Amino acid sequence: DAKTTQPTSMDCAEGRAANLPCNHSTISGNEYVYWYRQIHSQGPQYIIHGLKNNETNEMASLIITEDRKSSTLILPHATLRDTAVYYCIVRVIRTYKYIFGTGTRLKVLA
Amino acid sequence: NAGVTQTPKFRILKIGQSMTLQCAQDMNHNYMYWYRQDPGMGLKLIYYSVGAGITDKGEVPNGYNVSRSTTEDFPLRLELAAPSQTSVYFCASSPMEAGGHNEQFFGPGTRLTVL
Repeated sequence: DAKTTQPTSMDCAEGRAANLPCNHSTISGNEYVYWYRQIHSQGPQYIIHGLKNNETNEMASLIITEDRKSSTLILPHATLRDTAVYYCIVRVIRTYKYIFGTGTRLKVLA
Repeated sequence: NAGVTQTPKFRILKIGQSMTLQCAQDMNHNYMYWYRQDPGMGLKLIYYSVGAGITDKGEVPNGYNVSRSTTEDFPLRLELAAPSQTSVYFCASSPMEAGGHNEQFFGPGTRLTVL
């Protein structure tokens, strides 16, 4: 399974875009990129996923580089409620296992 | 839908005691998972199940056992509790959707302390 590398922590001003990078340089062609977040000590929550193309949903956008070796999660207008740990995960298509790293602790500042 | 439920929310065990962490889901998901999360760390997969009667080991299975007799329930058993098993335990479930997408739905967690 491909490993991911994320910054340990980031700050973002409320109302600004939060851009969270993830490096997955050993990713294979059959591996998805997933993003989850964990607010305080709750269970992780799914945000978005992608394979090759950029993706957008009501929560966030996912930008994957053309070589697929890195990606960026974008929260377009961060709020205080977006303060959380964000996990970037790669998963082989049609397998069932996620490998969680330590994630990025995002703090949104008022 | 209640989603994924876990009981108990908190538990303190003495070394050598045993207990079962309960997990249930009402979304008719085939896949279920148990993770543990140590302070400041990411989640580590203990066991998972792809359907009733089928279970498999994850990254850190030692000291734990699971069973899956129904689609809804996936209990995790600790036979001889050790301080190293002090952690927060999360249960999750997922459908396997067309195209291979696999969104996992997590329960609220069980906070276990072994003294």
